[in-house]
Amino acid sequence: GQQVKQSSPSLTVQEGGILILNCDYENDMFDYFAWYKKYPDNSPTLLISVRSNVDKREDGRFTVFLNKSGKHFSLHITASQPEDTAVYLCAAGPGGNNKLTFGQGTVLSVIP
Amino acid sequence: NAGVIQTPRHKVTGKGQEATLWCEPISGHSAVFWYRQTIVQGLEFLTYFRNQAPIDDSGMPKERFSAQMPNQSHSTLKIQSTQPQDSAVYLCASSLRYSNERLFFGHGTKLSVL
Repeated sequence: GQQVKQSSPSLTVQEGGILILNCDYENDMFDYFAWYKKYPDNSPTLLISVRSNVDKREDGRFTVFLNKSGKHFSLHITASQPEDTAVYLCAAGPGGNNKLTFGQGTVLSVIP
Repeated sequence: NAGVIQTPRHKVTGKGQEATLWCEPISGHSAVFWYRQTIVQGLEFLTYFRNQAPIDDSGMPKERFSAQMPNQSHSTLKIQSTQPQDSAVYLCASSLRYSNERLFFGHGTKLSVL
């Protein structure tokens, strides 16, 4: 089964708006959570990540919130820009000698 | 730093033929990962090496797929008797040591099985 799930296959937002991307996971042992960004015909690149010892991490316009009891984490993007248009992949894993599992991705479109 | 290098960028094979995909990780990175990307399944984990040793191959189809890392500078993914359902983009990634660190992905090899 899909251990990491993204609820929205796609999302559209007006430039300047705030958007939230969501990700749910099943494995209690996961303690590393990340968001990757992928432009068309390019490979995924790490956007932001957090470990389970914190419930929030902010980096400029991007903030990841972690809700361990709900097995849920989200990416908040403020002041969205057309260049944010991309596929966003959430990923989670136990770390160490264990694999990182990705969600299926959310296609984000930011309309000027 | 050229990043993770994957060759070839595109490969077309006939059904039943063998395909070998190559990956050169970033120098100094000890962890190498293979993923397969399809529209239906998204990014699926295949296998993971650390210090050239296989750590987790739980995502590898048991038949026809094999992966090796003969030295720290390259890894190969081999698919025997390719089938149309093997068509996908195969991505290789490397990290300094573990999966809970930044993964650097290559551009991928697009495999098309006719």
